Amino acid sequence: AQSVTQPDIHITVSEGASLELRCNYSYGATPYLFWYVQSPGQGLQLLLKYFSGDTLVQGIKGFEAEFKRSQSSFNLRKPSVHWSDAAEYFCAVEGGATNKLIFGTGTLLAVQP
Amino acid sequence: DVKVTQSSRYLVKRTGEKVFLECVQDMDHENMFWYRQDPGLGLRLIYFSYDVKMKEKGDIPEGYSVSREKKERFSLILESASTNQTSMYLCASEDQGNYYEQYFGPGTRLTVT
Repeated sequence: AQSVTQPDIHITVSEGASLELRCNYSYGATPYLFWYVQSPGQGLQLLLKYFSGDTLVQGIKGFEAEFKRSQSSFNLRKPSVHWSDAAEYFCAVEGGATNKLIFGTGTLLAVQP
Repeated sequence: DVKVTQSSRYLVKRTGEKVFLECVQDMDHENMFWYRQDPGLGLRLIYFSYDVKMKEKGDIPEGYSVSREKKERFSLILESASTNQTSMYLCASEDQGNYYEQYFGPGTRLTVT
């Protein structure tokens, strides 16, 4: 069965520093992969998605993610973090024939001034 | 701008009460979803619907039911609330032509005492 692992529960970075959030997936074929962000008190918002093609995908708010088949990873990156990026980030994989999303457990990002 | 609204941001109910959580979307989306979000567990799918009067069980349907009488409205029902249903409940909608790009409401934090 498809699954997603986010190994980091909580990450703290300084404002202006670079960021990488890890995501590993388990899937038999080429997966559809997603990153969602949940700002405090709000619902989730799609940051970016990977279906096929270029393995480096650009998203909103200056985020990007790279699909690495050999590592079964889809890590999220941002070169310079802003205080407004403090939020919880969820990686997700499509659930095969069911057309459902399977979410990871999330990584809570704190940004220090 | 797309919008998914949920009837309450915070709700406190007593054990054994029947609870209704309402979700409305204004995007004419065919698909709608109910998730619960718990710390360390991420989002788990309770039920989803592909059309009016259609419903499918998700991963954790026990203790819940749903109703979709109109395309824009998807209700989650807790027939007899229990303390283990204390959680954050998130509703989402999705266009069938754009699978997996889900739009989320702000959530309802339900406490069952």
